[in-house]
Amino acid sequence: DTGVSQNPRHKITKRGQNVTFRCDPISEHNRLYWYRQTLGQGPEFLTYFQNEAQLEKSRLLSDRFSAERPKGSFSTLEIQRTEQGDSAMYLCASSLALGASNQPQHFGDGTRLSIL
Amino acid sequence: LAKTTQPISMDSYEGQEVNITCSHNNIATNDYITWYQQFPSQGPRFIIQGYKTKVTNEVASLFIPADRKSSTLSLPRVSLSDTAVYYCLVGDIRIKAAGNKLTFGGGTRVLVKP
Repeated sequence: DTGVSQNPRHKITKRGQNVTFRCDPISEHNRLYWYRQTLGQGPEFLTYFQNEAQLEKSRLLSDRFSAERPKGSFSTLEIQRTEQGDSAMYLCASSLALGASNQPQHFGDGTRLSIL
Repeated sequence: LAKTTQPISMDSYEGQEVNITCSHNNIATNDYITWYQQFPSQGPRFIIQGYKTKVTNEVASLFIPADRKSSTLSLPRVSLSDTAVYYCLVGDIRIKAAGNKLTFGGGTRVLVKP
């Protein structure tokens, strides 16, 4: 399968713990996005990378959140001191910015985070 | 990004054609229209994208009138497995356009009945 891969698929943790999610984009894609989705809502943008550079962060991304994309390949999203409100599906997407336009984003199946 | 409005839900039956209309009255000149499909516990899946007139691929057709203030996603001969949430998005796909982040609304929940 050459799609976007996210691990783990599910994460259950206690409030206050730190968690880290991984996203492996489609190999030739130079853009990588993180979104968050809560039940019954559409995904909300968190941040995106062009290669290894993090170019935009949403106001939703508090100081407890940090994302990295070393070497412009896989990305990690870390949440420190988790809170109940962090419970959501965290989605990763990648796309190819080529020439003058950005190709459609392709999503992974997400990591579902549950905070006890 | 232009705001979109689409029905909250639609019911259909197997074998029928499903048409979902999305309104985007404030669409900008450089905006494209993109549709995604999402099943429970999965990420959204790209269906189709267009700028004007009609676009067709192996799973759907997208009809866009001349004024581009609306668009209609057409799913031919749906099956039970087409039960999903369908999102209509509009946005500028040019490289310089603010990272091309996607802004999702609430989507349309399509239920296909036997």
